[in-house]
Formats: sequence, structure tokens, C-alpha cells
Amino acid sequence: AQSVTQLDSHVSVSEGTPVLLRCNYSSSYSPSLFWYVQHPNKGLQLLLKYTSAATLVKGINGFEAEFKKSETSFHLTKPSAHMSDAAEYFCVVSDRRYSTLTFGKGTMLLVSP
Amino acid sequence: NAGVTQTPKFQVLKTGQSMTLQCAQDMNHEYMSWYRQDPGMGLRLIHYSVGAGITDQGEVPNGYNVSRSTTEDFPLRLLSAAPSQTSVYFCASSYRDSTTGELFFGEGSRLTVL
Repeated sequence: AQSVTQLDSHVSVSEGTPVLLRCNYSSSYSPSLFWYVQHPNKGLQLLLKYTSAATLVKGINGFEAEFKKSETSFHLTKPSAHMSDAAEYFCVVSDRRYSTLTFGKGTMLLVSP
Repeated sequence: NAGVTQTPKFQVLKTGQSMTLQCAQDMNHEYMSWYRQDPGMGLRLIHYSVGAGITDQGEVPNGYNVSRSTTEDFPLRLLSAAPSQTSVYFCASSYRDSTTGELFFGEGSRLTVL
């Protein structure tokens, strides 16, 4: 079975400081991994995805994530937070045997001026 | 481009009533799905479809029905609403399946069951 754990339910940063949102996964096979972002009262939007190519994945709006198989992690980072980054972020895993995805419970990112 | 369109955006029902949440996409996607989002629970898959005429159950299918008569439309039916079905519902589609491609989401339908 596949599963994903987002280690923080809330993360607070100041504008201009780095962002780290942590995600650990469990999968029996080579996984595909995704990060989605949800702004208030909106649907989810894909930030980036890993599908067994380069382990460092760059996404939209300056976000990137690194796939670390030995640590079963796929943490999301950004060097400098912007006020518009305030949103909820979801880590998602699929091990390709299924036509479904497993979502983490989400991390709310709060950005203060 | 409209993308994925969900209607209605808000709905209040009484226990026992039935209703249909509509979902339409104009991207010619084969894969469509319904999720529900509850606080602290992430998104949970209700039903999905890999093409017209084909549907399957997800993680939490009880109390919901779906059909896929066309590529574009994937309605979700609540047969007899219960307070436990109070949630935000998202429809999502993808070109092929959800495992390697990008899921495109609608803006959600917020349902309250009294």
C-alpha cells in the first residue's frame, strides 16, 4: 500500500525567508510524487512532479523538491517566501500500479510581512 | 479555456434529500474523478472514470453514484444526503490517468447537509 505523511500541519515564515515543507512517503514500487497548492476557496493546482527522471525537480513560482529514495522523502523548498505563497500545500504519491493517487493531509503555509 | 467546471458552487440540503453535482471538462480528458475534502483529512477519492462508460469506486464511495455517458461530463449523485456528507467536493480530470500526469481541478462545490 502507498501512503504519504506531511510532517507539519502548519508552517509560519516571514516574507523573504526560506520555505521548507516536509513530506515522507511509503510505496512498494517506484513512486510518482507530486506537490499541489490550494489557494483559499480555489481548486488545487500542480506545483511540480517527480516521475523517475531527475531527482531535483523544479516547479512553478520558484518552488523545487528533491526526491531522496534512501530517506523516502520529497520535501518542498523555496529560497525566499512571498506573501502570495500563503496557501495549503499537498504532497501526493502514486506507485503507478493504481489509477488513483494518495493525498497527504496538507500543510498550511502562513507568510507574515 | 473553461477547464473543469463544477456546479453548483454552494448547496444546502436537508437530510434525506438527493441531488446531483455537475462536472464538465472541455480538454478531451479520458480520466475524471471526484474527491471530497474535509478539514485535516486531505482529499479522498470517491469515484473515478478512465473513459466514457467506465466507472470505478475510490476510497469513500458509499452514498454516492456516478455515471460517464460522455467524455465531457461526470456527474456525482447523492442518493439520500446525510450530515456526514457535508464537505467540499472537487472534480478533477487528466489526459490519461492520474498517476503520471497533471490533474486539473474544478473550483469546488461546498455542500452542507442539515
